[in-house]
Amino acid sequence: GDSVTQKEGLVTLTEGLPVMLNCTYQTIYSNAFLFWYVHYLNESPRLLLKSSTDNKRTEHQGFHATLHKSSSSFHLQKSSAQLSDSALYYCALSGNSNNRIFFGDGTQLVVKP
Amino acid sequence: GGIITQTPKFLIGQEGQKLTLKCQQNFNHDTMYWYRQDSGKGLRLIYYSITENDLQKGDLSEGYDASREKKSSFSLTVTSAQKNEMAVFLCASSISSNYAEQFFGPGTRLTVL
Repeated sequence: GDSVTQKEGLVTLTEGLPVMLNCTYQTIYSNAFLFWYVHYLNESPRLLLKSSTDNKRTEHQGFHATLHKSSSSFHLQKSSAQLSDSALYYCALSGNSNNRIFFGDGTQLVVKP
Repeated sequence: GGIITQTPKFLIGQEGQKLTLKCQQNFNHDTMYWYRQDSGKGLRLIYYSITENDLQKGDLSEGYDASREKKSSFSLTVTSAQKNEMAVFLCASSISSNYAEQFFGPGTRLTVL
């Protein structure tokens, strides 16, 4: 079945360094959609960015990700971490049309001064 | 725009107790979801509903019941609370599409004594 793997449970960075959060997925559906959701403390999770187009960079709020179907990956990146980026980040997959998406276990990003 | 409200915000129960969580949305979305969030385990789908009176089991439905009496509301019942259980339950809604953004409520934090 469909699944998402986020291998890092916790990523700790110093402000100003680049961010890369890993996401790989498994699905049999060729037109899968991949998502990144962000969950800030004391807020509701919300969509950060999404893509279904192979090898196309998607950007939002300083973050970017490129879907690579050849390697089943959708890593989240940012050139320079800010303290305000500290949050829980979920990668998610929608493989078919049954209205559900599959979330990874999440990566907690902690950015320190 | 719209909003999702969840009640109560905090829920304290006793072992074996039946507990009900409620969710309302005014997006006029067809699909609604209940997720459980545990530290390090991501968002696990309990139940979802693609239309009024519809119910679909997620990956964690055992021990829970759900009810979608009308389009705008979706309730979740913990049939028998487990001692020392602590989790956050998140409600979400979306349009009926596999690429649709899910909008989340603020969550209900459950503690079982």
